[in-house]
Amino acid sequence: GIQVEQSPPDLILQEGANSTLRCNFSDSVNNLQWFHQNPWGQLINLFYIPSGTKQNGRLSATTVATERYSLLYISSSQTTDSGVYFCAGDPNFGNEKLTFGTGTRLTIIP
Amino acid sequence: KAGVTQTPRYLIKTRGQQVTLSCSPISGHRSVSWYQQTPGQGLQFLFEYFSETQRNKGNFPGRFSGRQFSNSRSEMNVSTLELGDSALYLCASSFLTDHTQYFGPGTRLTVL
Repeated sequence: GIQVEQSPPDLILQEGANSTLRCNFSDSVNNLQWFHQNPWGQLINLFYIPSGTKQNGRLSATTVATERYSLLYISSSQTTDSGVYFCAGDPNFGNEKLTFGTGTRLTIIP
Repeated sequence: KAGVTQTPRYLIKTRGQQVTLSCSPISGHRSVSWYQQTPGQGLQFLFEYFSETQRNKGNFPGRFSGRQFSNSRSEMNVSTLELGDSALYLCASSFLTDHTQYFGPGTRLTVL
């Protein structure tokens, strides 16, 4: 199966700081998505972004499908942004659905 | 619209027992997928159902099974529970199979 690498694995920032999270895929994927998992385990879909750039408030994402990577930008971080961020995509081949990365754990300090 | 709901939210079982978890998708969504999340293996795909048919299956033993009903609600069953089955089981729904996935709050299963 495909490998999904996320970096950095951990990130600790002061409230108000900006951050960039990266996701690299070992092979092409379809339906690339970004998720935020809160401390209670709930996975919230942030972006469905197979290619191009999207913005939603303080968050934006860019996917360069030809180079098999995606970036998530968080600006003016708030404590509620803390949690684990996952990227995931459907492999082009095989019977798997979303293959998830190992996640980036973000901690925002007041 | 109401979100994806999963029941029960917490479950404690002993080795050798079986368990059934339930998932109700967002109204109008016909695709339901199941995932297992553990600290060691992360988030792993179990299976996907669309219009009562299993479309895709992950790399899990046959003890893990599922089904989908005509109203799109889905259940997954784990038989002969093992300690390693302790995990957060997440269900996700989407309108079609290639669309944004919306996750439920999960069922946390503990096997003693």
